[in-house]
Amino acid sequence: EIVLTQSPGTLSLSPGERATLSCRASQSVGSSYLAWYQQKPGQAPRLLIYGASTRATGIPDRFSGSGSGTDFTLTISRLEPEDFAVYYCQQYGGSPRTFGPGTKVDIK
Amino acid sequence: QVQLQESGPGLVKPSETLSLTCIVSGYSISSGYYWGWIRRPPGKGLEYIGSLYHGGNSYYNPSLKSRVTISVDTSKNQFSLRLTSMTAADTAVYYCARLVGNWYFDLWGRGTLVTVSS
Repeated sequence: EIVLTQSPGTLSLSPGERATLSCRASQSVGSSYLAWYQQKPGQAPRLLIYGASTRATGIPDRFSGSGSGTDFTLTISRLEPEDFAVYYCQQYGGSPRTFGPGTKVDIK
Repeated sequence: QVQLQESGPGLVKPSETLSLTCIVSGYSISSGYYWGWIRRPPGKGLEYIGSLYHGGNSYYNPSLKSRVTISVDTSKNQFSLRLTSMTAADTAVYYCARLVGNWYFDLWGRGTLVTVSS
């Protein structure tokens, strides 16, 4: 099973700042078999990025993903008030599909 | 607009079987996609339970495989989760979701909390 580690656990930032979230895999997930999700309290997770760098339908371009193999990054270029949430990565290069523990982005 | 909605008991006794249903609206399950279940225990991360294609194979997390069955009812446009021998460790918010190519989850239900307690 591929284990995903996310860092930092919590990121405290102000609106307008840049957020950089990391997801590291215990072994290669392939070139691009990684997705990112956003979850707010009481809401369903929302797909942000798939294929490591492709934005899902309707996702603003301030969200971008990069990386390959074992190291991936989600960047939010300028935080909007609605971006404060928990972010999860998920790999689909191996079975079973696994998720990272999440990074909470909260307001500083 | 495609929507998924979980339904089922919020409380299950230890050793009993959990049965949850995901009702899909706005899209026919038999038209394609994979359909699956994920859970999030309190204070922990997301865990993939399993998934299936409407007319084909099912896939289960090895950690749960001996206790899990996922099935689909195309006539009702819904799919179901059955998890046997429930324990306190199975207490979690359970989500149903649609998968693209059995790879990533592009649509999720809001989730339903299931508590295992006598």
